[in-house]
Amino acid sequence: DVKVTQSSRYLVKRTGEKVFLECVQDMDHENMFWYRQDPGLGLRLIYFSYDVKMKEKGDIPEGYSVSREKKERFSLILESASTNQTSMYLCASSASGGLLVLFFGSGTQLSVL
Amino acid sequence: SQKIEQNSEALNIQEGKTATLTCNYTNYSPAYLQWYRQDPGRGPVFLLLIRENEKEKRKERLKVTFDTTLKQSLFHITASQPADSATYLCALLNQGGKLIFGQGTELSVKP
Repeated sequence: DVKVTQSSRYLVKRTGEKVFLECVQDMDHENMFWYRQDPGLGLRLIYFSYDVKMKEKGDIPEGYSVSREKKERFSLILESASTNQTSMYLCASSASGGLLVLFFGSGTQLSVL
Repeated sequence: SQKIEQNSEALNIQEGKTATLTCNYTNYSPAYLQWYRQDPGRGPVFLLLIRENEKEKRKERLKVTFDTTLKQSLFHITASQPADSATYLCALLNQGGKLIFGQGTELSVKP
């Protein structure tokens, strides 16, 4: 069974902290994505990666960075967490070529106090 | 820029009826459109994909239509069950090659 695993279901952090959200997939997928989901705003793309060491900005990259040192792992970094980054964060992966069908993790609900 | 609109109001229906959810989009027509299901506190799960040259796609009790003239996709669940209660998201590939999502429509099926 295909799996995308996010390291934490719930996280509570303080304003100004550096936050790491980890995502691992076991499907040997080339593509990985980070979205955030907020009520009334839907899913918004933060960053994505089509290969190891490669990253591309999505629609809302400000305040975030990513790291992809290995094919199966894609990390989202909040350099200095702020309250407006309180959200549900969803990691996804997909195979390369053809149709972009996403497999999502269960999400990390991050609260920044 | 490309936009997707789904009915933000929750849809409440009786068990056994057909649920119909709507997805409208603006600007250019995508090569394909997808539907996902999301349960509370979980990530979305892929259900169906329909290409621009397909009018209709079926999978068990699910049926999706794609009208590129109206810029609209309809998602039907026939013989609905309480277990079908969830939020349903439509998604499409924008011109930049990114998958963008609608806000989703919450479906509640009452026994």
